[in-house]
Amino acid sequence: AQKITQTQPGMFVQEKEAVTLDCTYDTSDPSYGLFWYKQPSSGEMIFLIYQGSYDQQNATEGRYSLNFQKARKSANLVISASQLGDSAMYFCAMRFPNAGNMLTFGGGTRLMVKP
Amino acid sequence: EPEVTQTPSHQVTQMGQEVILRCVPISNHLYFYWYRQILGQKVEFLVSFYNNEISEKSEIFDDQFSVERPDGSNFTLKIRSTKLEDSAMYFCASSEGGQRSNQPQHFGDGTRLSIL
Repeated sequence: AQKITQTQPGMFVQEKEAVTLDCTYDTSDPSYGLFWYKQPSSGEMIFLIYQGSYDQQNATEGRYSLNFQKARKSANLVISASQLGDSAMYFCAMRFPNAGNMLTFGGGTRLMVKP
Repeated sequence: EPEVTQTPSHQVTQMGQEVILRCVPISNHLYFYWYRQILGQKVEFLVSFYNNEISEKSEIFDDQFSVERPDGSNFTLKIRSTKLEDSAMYFCASSEGGQRSNQPQHFGDGTRLSIL
């Protein structure tokens, strides 16, 4: 069975510093997609970044980048130059094409940016 | 930028009553989904819908749940006889591509369902 683990329930970061949010997964399927979503206190889910299991390079999207280590089965989100507006819950999610089109979510990490 | 819209933003219903949650997916998307998030817990998949039929559903999506695309734009989730444990945030999502695609699922702002 596929499983996604976010080991940090909460994290603090100083404004303007970089922060890494951990995500590890367990699957025997060689083909999968990794997604990160942001959920502010207002509740909406905002797509941030995608990484495919066969992608050769780590994904980047503005201040967001993915530290994808396939052998370790980890896909950590790096946020550079943190801003106060980055304070939110962050969810790692995976899609396994051989198991359908649904997303399986981790438990989330609450990030708090300190001024 | 096009977005998924959900109505209402908050629904309060008596236990045992039927409730319909409404969603308008992004117009050129072909795949539609419902997820739920019980307060303080992780987001859970309910059902996916493609080509006017359910393509996948989870164990949560039992006979009390149904989905429908009544016209070319709306996508609804109906809960026939609500229970206290149905209280949650319900998210609608849509995507352009399916299983083999790298296209993300775009989520609406959610409907908070409170069962009394």
